[in-house]
Amino acid sequence: NAGVTQTPKFQVLKTGQSMTLQCAQDMNHEYMSWYRQDPGMGLRLIHYSVGAGITDQGEVPNGYNVSRSTTEDFPLRLLSAAPSQTSVYFCASRQGRYNEQFFGPGTRLTVL
Amino acid sequence: GQQVMQIPQYQHVQEGEDFTTYCNSSTTLSNIQWYKQRPGGHPVFLIQLVKSGEVKKQKRLTFQFGEAKKNSSLHITATQTTDVGTYFCAGPLSGGYQKVTFGTGTKLQVIP
Repeated sequence: NAGVTQTPKFQVLKTGQSMTLQCAQDMNHEYMSWYRQDPGMGLRLIHYSVGAGITDQGEVPNGYNVSRSTTEDFPLRLLSAAPSQTSVYFCASRQGRYNEQFFGPGTRLTVL
Repeated sequence: GQQVMQIPQYQHVQEGEDFTTYCNSSTTLSNIQWYKQRPGGHPVFLIQLVKSGEVKKQKRLTFQFGEAKKNSSLHITATQTTDVGTYFCAGPLSGGYQKVTFGTGTKLQVIP
């Protein structure tokens, strides 16, 4: 099993550009989440999904869109990148409500 | 809104000294998880506590869940350089187990 994979590992964008961060898992997990990590602020939940076709907002959803067309994939879209979105983005998955989360290796995004 | 705070934010210890990080929630948690993130890496699950007053041990690591289920602690006995990293607690946001919120983290540095 590859676990949770994320692409790309690094990305530099200009303000106003859009892009999609990819996340995939091969563990057949129901739950998937996107977090962003900024210094001194821990991990903040952006969006999450409890199954294919079902998504909801987390703590900091503004500026991001998600969709979940399959169990395996959970892409995160930045609609119009802003410098405030410079961060490390982690995707995570888990089997059920109370289970441990498995994290991907992260995407380091810089917006100029 | 619900907050999960951790103290201290940073801790430097001499190798062999003990280390403790504390996690405090503004609301009662149904369960709490602990994760470790090595420098440059992604969070990795350590343990989950569910019961009020629960204590669990993993070799030199001792985890406690408070009686009121609003606080938790992680204690490391005789730290080693391999313990270096950031330790996060995490718990479900009130109103739904789907959303998991992370504490602000404690960054541990071990001086050899």
